Amino acid sequence: QSALTQPRSLSGTPGQSVTISCTGTRSDVGDYNYVSWYLQHPGEAPKLMIYDVTKRPSGVPDRFSGSKSGNTASLTISGLQGEDEADYYCSSSAGSYPVFGGGTKLTVL
Amino acid sequence: QVQLQQWGAGLLKPSETLSLTCAVYGGSFSGYLWNWIRQTPGRGLEWIGDIYHTGNNNYNPSLKSRVTISVDSSKNQFSLNLRSVTAADTAVYFCARGYVRRYMDVWGEGTTVTVSS
Repeated sequence: QSALTQPRSLSGTPGQSVTISCTGTRSDVGDYNYVSWYLQHPGEAPKLMIYDVTKRPSGVPDRFSGSKSGNTASLTISGLQGEDEADYYCSSSAGSYPVFGGGTKLTVL
Repeated sequence: QVQLQQWGAGLLKPSETLSLTCAVYGGSFSGYLWNWIRQTPGRGLEWIGDIYHTGNNNYNPSLKSRVTISVDSSKNQFSLNLRSVTAADTAVYFCARGYVRRYMDVWGEGTTVTVSS
C-alpha cells in the first residue's frame, strides 16, 4: 500500500480538463511544499512534470499545473491530448525520504 | 544533457544479492542526491535510498537492514546492493538524480530484476 493516495484511474476526452488528486498526511504533503508529479508511459522511466507543488521543468507544457491544499495535492491537465494518456504518480518529501502515490492511469477517450 | 545508464544482473535466485550500478554522463556528479527506486505492479514506486557524492547516504527504513548504496566519484557512478533477495524483490529498478529530497529530474531507463528459484 502506497503512502500517498491517488485515484486508480481517470478518463477524459480531448480538450477537456482533468484533475488528479494525491492525498497524504500532515507528515508529508501537509508539511512540505515539495510535491512532485511524474508521467510514465508503458515501458519507460517516469518523467518529472511538476516539482515544488507548482513549478514546471523546462519543456513541460503549461497545460500541466499543480496545486496543494492541506494534505492534498492536485495535478490538473487542461486541453487534454492523446499523448497525455499515461500513468501519473505523485511524490512528496516526508522529511528524510520521499514517498510516492500508487499511481493514476489516465485514459484519453 | 545529463544521462543515467544502469546495468546489473536481471535474474537472481532467492537469498542472492542484487547488484546494480548507475553511471552519470554529461553533468556534474556533485551537488545532487543519487537515488535508487523500484517499481512493482502491486506496490507502485518505492524509494530504496540515496547517496551524495561524498558517500553520505540514507535508506528506506523498510529495506535498511538489507541495502547498501555506495558511490565511486572518480567514475561518476553509484551502486545498489540488496542482500538476501526474495520473490518480493522482483521489480523494475531505476536510478535517478535528485535535487535535495524535493524531486528527481533525471531517471535511468530501468532494469528488470526477477527473483526466482
